[in-house]
Order: sequence, then structure tokens, then C-alpha cells
Amino acid sequence: EPEVTQTPSHQVTQMGQEVILRCVPISNHLYFYWYRQILGQKVEFLVSFYNNEISEKSEIFDDQFSVERPDGSNFTLKIRSTKLEDSAMYFCASRGQDYTDTQYFGPGTRLTVL
Amino acid sequence: AQSVSQHNHHVILSEAASLELGCNYSYGGTVNLFWYVQYPGQHLQLLLKYFSGDPLVKGIKGFEAEFIKSKFSFNLRKPSVQWSDTAEYFCAVNDDAGNMLTFGGGTRLMVKP
Repeated sequence: EPEVTQTPSHQVTQMGQEVILRCVPISNHLYFYWYRQILGQKVEFLVSFYNNEISEKSEIFDDQFSVERPDGSNFTLKIRSTKLEDSAMYFCASRGQDYTDTQYFGPGTRLTVL
Repeated sequence: AQSVSQHNHHVILSEAASLELGCNYSYGGTVNLFWYVQYPGQHLQLLLKYFSGDPLVKGIKGFEAEFIKSKFSFNLRKPSVQWSDTAEYFCAVNDDAGNMLTFGGGTRLMVKP
């Protein structure tokens, strides 16, 4: 069964540094998402991406965040200058064309900002 | 804005016991409803989903959920749990556009052998 993959599984960085989290969505999917879960809190939506542009974003997704689909397979989340409060598990998800299609989640990247 | 509440944060059951996990949502329009499960060390997986039609939805591994529109609820049930059902369960909703998911806080289920 096709899967969403994410790398790295764990990223440790210093406050103020830039990080790039990588995702490979399922190959024929067209909608891509990033969510995050701060320890002990709910899974929160960050951004959705379709047709090479952001289709929706939450208030969490401020100017420090950006997303990109640099080639036909990868989908990346960049945090320009990390803050302590960015420490969280970041999940990538993808789905097909129809709104009834399931969003499939990757295993997540645990980001620790020191 | 949508919101989802899961009132049971931790549930402990013995094998063969019946399970019901509560999920309530608030949203004024048409919603799509989901239950996801996260087994220890694994990623979120879809258990079942509801978009329209029969409000009683059957999912994988013997789980089912019932959409009760008047109560804004989508409770998850399983008649007889197994040790392997130990996991965290998340209720989620999205709107007609099918875009962002709004998650509840999750319920950690522990099934004792």
C-alpha cells in the first residue's frame, strides 16, 4: 500500500536556525497538507497546498513558515528562524482529487528546538 | 470555526469489553467526519469516515461510528476490544470543501489482556 514518507524522523536545532522538513506524498495525490502536534496538545492544521499554491492556511502559519513542492515528488515545510515553541511533531498528509478521498498521514518529524 | 471535543482522555478496558468513545463537534454547516487511530510508534491511520448516507458507518477492525446530527456527535464503538486495540484515537471533521481537518484532543485507550 502506498505511504506518505517524511524525513528526518527527528530534527534537533538551535533557536533561530532554519529547518526544512521533507515529505514525499503518495504519488498520484494532488492535495498536500502540514499539521503539527505540540506535546500534550491537539493535532493542528498548518497549511494545505494544491496546484502549486497554498489553498488554505491557519493563523499559526505565519511569515516564518513556507511550503514548496520543488519537484514532482517532494513537499517541504520550511521554518526560517525557529523558536522554542516550534518544538512539535510535524505531520505531512496527502489526498487525491475528490473531497471524499482520505487524507493519508506520514509518520511525522519530531522537531526539537533548543 | 469548527471545533471537536473528545471528552474521554484516557480509557482503560479489559479484553472483550465493549468500547464507546465520544466525539462532539461544533460547526454550522455540513461536515464530514472521521476517526483516525495511532498505534504506538505508528502514524495516523483512518479507521472510518462519514460523508453522507447511512449514519451508521462501519470501518476497519470491527469499529463503527454513528453520526447523530441532532446531537452533533460521531461516537466510535466496538463491541469487543482486543489488546491490539491499544492506541490513541482521534475524531476529526472537515467541511464540504474537504480541506483542513480539525482534530479532537484524542483518547488514549489501553486494553488490558
